[in-house]
Amino acid sequence: NAGVTQTPKFRILKIGQSMTLQCTQDMNHNYMYWYRQDPGMGLKLIYYSVGAGITDKGEVPNGYNVSRSTTEDFPLRLELAAPSQTSVYFCASSSPSGPQHFGDGTRLSIL
Amino acid sequence: DAKTTQPPSMDCAEGRAANLPCNHSTISGNEYVYWYRQIHSQGPQYIIHGLKNNETNEMASLIITEDRKSSTLILPHATLRDTAVYYCIAEYGNKLVFGAGTILRVKS
Repeated sequence: NAGVTQTPKFRILKIGQSMTLQCTQDMNHNYMYWYRQDPGMGLKLIYYSVGAGITDKGEVPNGYNVSRSTTEDFPLRLELAAPSQTSVYFCASSSPSGPQHFGDGTRLSIL
Repeated sequence: DAKTTQPPSMDCAEGRAANLPCNHSTISGNEYVYWYRQIHSQGPQYIIHGLKNNETNEMASLIITEDRKSSTLILPHATLRDTAVYYCIAEYGNKLVFGAGTILRVKS
């Protein structure tokens, strides 16, 4: 039971570098989400998607981009990494009326 | 902003019931109340959800007041492994808005 898989688990970036956080799910869920979690805080929604080819902004989308070319994959792109983007990133998926299932997170540090 | 308020922390003795309160006086009639928990820094884990009626599953029970202004998550026999941050969330349109949650410490 793979569920939601995120890669990499850890990454250190330099300011100004770019990278893509990968997320894939094997539950055939239409809905997928990206959150970030800063220390001691709850999760904040960055972007979400209700199906292939459809994405929309969440609460904190600035500095990020997403795409959804398949049902299974929902990558998150950081174009110009900034220290404020140091965080733990969680991907989740759900059916339209079901609970969200989360991955184990990607811990990203930008120095 | 989160539409729910929770106490920042609670303690519970191992083997006893843990009752976690949540206030959500401003939620609308079609917003579900969801509970998730986060152990250490893992991804949040779904526990239970409800709209109007009380709900029970293998993990917990959810008691929602008749006026829907508050609810209580009940872990009937808390174990040390239930130590976690518990989030009460009002959900609409598949969007979750997380608050800071309640840190539950189960002590032996």
